[in-house]
Amino acid sequence: QSALTQPASVSGSPGQSITISCTGTSSDVGSYNLVSWYQQHPDKAPKVMIYEVSKRPSGVSNRFSGSKSGNTASLTISGLQAEDEADYYCCSYAGRSPVVFGGGTKLTVL
Amino acid sequence: QITLKESGPTLVKPTQTLTLTCTFSGFSLSTSGVGVGWIRQPPGKALEWLTLIYWNDDKRYSPSLKSRLTITKDTSKNQVVLTMTNMDPVDTATYYCAHARYSGIVPAAPSSFDPWGQGTLVTVSS
Repeated sequence: QSALTQPASVSGSPGQSITISCTGTSSDVGSYNLVSWYQQHPDKAPKVMIYEVSKRPSGVSNRFSGSKSGNTASLTISGLQAEDEADYYCCSYAGRSPVVFGGGTKLTVL
Repeated sequence: QITLKESGPTLVKPTQTLTLTCTFSGFSLSTSGVGVGWIRQPPGKALEWLTLIYWNDDKRYSPSLKSRLTITKDTSKNQVVLTMTNMDPVDTATYYCAHARYSGIVPAAPSSFDPWGQGTLVTVSS
């Protein structure tokens, strides 16, 4: 299966909101509500921020939210903070595989 | 508190077989709904899912690497072992194991990978 498509980079100023998209197909993102999002700081292990499209694990700030429309999922970060600067990866159910990751998006806080 | 830690060689030669062990605590792989996955990340590149094993011994593999991968579990030792054959320099990456929560929505589909181990860098070079 092919990796999910994410923008290579996004940026925003402190306090602003940004959205990262994750585009797949009807066989993965569009099939079930099984999209998750991971934050990765340099030289650190990834951390789940959103699972099952829009659910937030305990301890994750409510500034992070997820949604899905058709074959595209989105991660929105509101009230951007310097600590949000990191790489973000989406992940989806992908049929019999059953997992596929996106290519990653580098978020820069200006 | 769930923790996972990867261990194994840091350097392997081309054509050799890589064996990595994920030792975990805070959960049991005999508990319904629990799984462990392996994900790798070449330097400066994206995450790539490799394989997944569940409490019921259901195993899934990345289609592109299926012929080279084997995943097993030792419930008594709280360990999951990944074997990858015929290593190549392009397999140089940080290898992570992670706790997986079965979604219950679709067979073998995880809800998320949470948490992850710290990762171990494996270099393939002669």
